[in-house]
Amino acid sequence: AQSVTQPDIHITVSEGASLELRCNYSYGATPYLFWYVQSPGQGLQLLLKYFSGDTLVQGIKGFEAEFKRSQSSFNLRKPSVHWSDAAEYFCAVGGKNAGNMLTFGGGTRLMVKP
Amino acid sequence: EAQVTQNPRYLITVTGKKLTVTCSQNMNHEYMSWYRQDPGLGLRQIYYSMNVEVTDKGDVPEGYKVSRKEKRNFPLILESPSPNQTSLYFCASSLRGVTVAPGGYTFGSGTRLTVV
Repeated sequence: AQSVTQPDIHITVSEGASLELRCNYSYGATPYLFWYVQSPGQGLQLLLKYFSGDTLVQGIKGFEAEFKRSQSSFNLRKPSVHWSDAAEYFCAVGGKNAGNMLTFGGGTRLMVKP
Repeated sequence: EAQVTQNPRYLITVTGKKLTVTCSQNMNHEYMSWYRQDPGLGLRQIYYSMNVEVTDKGDVPEGYKVSRKEKRNFPLILESPSPNQTSLYFCASSLRGVTVAPGGYTFGSGTRLTVV
């Protein structure tokens, strides 16, 4: 069965600092990987996704993520965090063998200090 | 505007009283899904539908029912709600599935359900 682990439940960074959110997945075949962001009281918005090809993917709002098959990781990064990035971030994995099931991690809540 | 619309946004009900949460999408998406979100557990899939009259169980289907009589609508039915179904529920849709471009799901704004 597929699974996703986000080791950090909470992260606090200062505005302007760099950010890296960790995501480790378990999936027996080629994974399809996603990062979503959830602002308070809102639904989930897709930040970026990896299907194939270049392992460094660019997303919206200045985010990027790198797929590392050898480490089963898909970490999310941003070079300079803005106060509006404070939200909860979810990593998710899907795959051809899993039908249309996206499996989500437990989420990482990001707080931004002024 | 392309969107997934859920209603109601908030619902408080009593144990055993049947309820329906509606979900509608205006993007002509084939795939629709229901998730519940609980603190520390992320989102877990309840049911999904690949097209009209085609539905299947997700990870946590117990206590829920769904139907897909029309492409745009995918209601979630709780025949006899219990307190352990208190949660935040999301409906989501996808054009042709999470692994077919453009892939992933578009989510609704959520329904916060409390069962007392």
